[in-house]
Amino acid sequence: DQQVKQNSPSLSVQEGRISILNCDYTNSMFDYFLWYKKYPAEGPTFLISISSIKDKNEDGRFTVFLNKSAKHLSLHIVPSQPGDSAVYFCAASPKDDAGNMLTFGGGTRLMVKP
Amino acid sequence: NAGVTQTPKFQVLKTGQSMTLQCAQDMNHEYMSWYRQDPGMGLRLIHYSVGAGITDQGEVPNGYNVSRSTTEDFPLRLLSAAPSQTSVYFCASSGGMLLYEQYFGPGTRLTVT
Repeated sequence: DQQVKQNSPSLSVQEGRISILNCDYTNSMFDYFLWYKKYPAEGPTFLISISSIKDKNEDGRFTVFLNKSAKHLSLHIVPSQPGDSAVYFCAASPKDDAGNMLTFGGGTRLMVKP
Repeated sequence: NAGVTQTPKFQVLKTGQSMTLQCAQDMNHEYMSWYRQDPGMGLRLIHYSVGAGITDQGEVPNGYNVSRSTTEDFPLRLLSAAPSQTSVYFCASSGGMLLYEQYFGPGTRLTVT
């Protein structure tokens, strides 16, 4: 049973518009959440994170929102650019963990059309 | 500063063969991990290490061994390869104040026939 789920395998967005990627989790012990971006033939790269004590974290065009009661987080990209086209993974880590035990979702492929 | 390096990039094995996937990092990170990526499954943790001489199992450890004799290196050994181990393998490291933010290597694509 997947503890972290990304229910949309793919998303297509027009350049300049907002991209919203969603992620749901089931484990209430998860305390820290991250988004990774992956280009083909490369390893994932860290994008943005949020602790469970916050409900929003912003970094330039990227904002992550956390709704703990709904066990849901989302990544907003505004404005979307063609270079944002990649696979995005959300990941979660439990409280008091050293950070090694990341549980990943299945990924969402984002395509930003010029 | 090379970050996390992995060798080889590609490998084809026959069922029953053994091999070692190499991983090295030059950031002096104490934490290192191995993941496998399969379509639709995201990345699943195989084994991890919190420091030299210390390793532990992740979500899918069966069929794999690890050791950590130095801070820099964390090899993954396949004891007797099976077609179910066909996957892309990623090594990652983290350390310092940003433990959760793991740095990933470029991956090894393994095919077992």
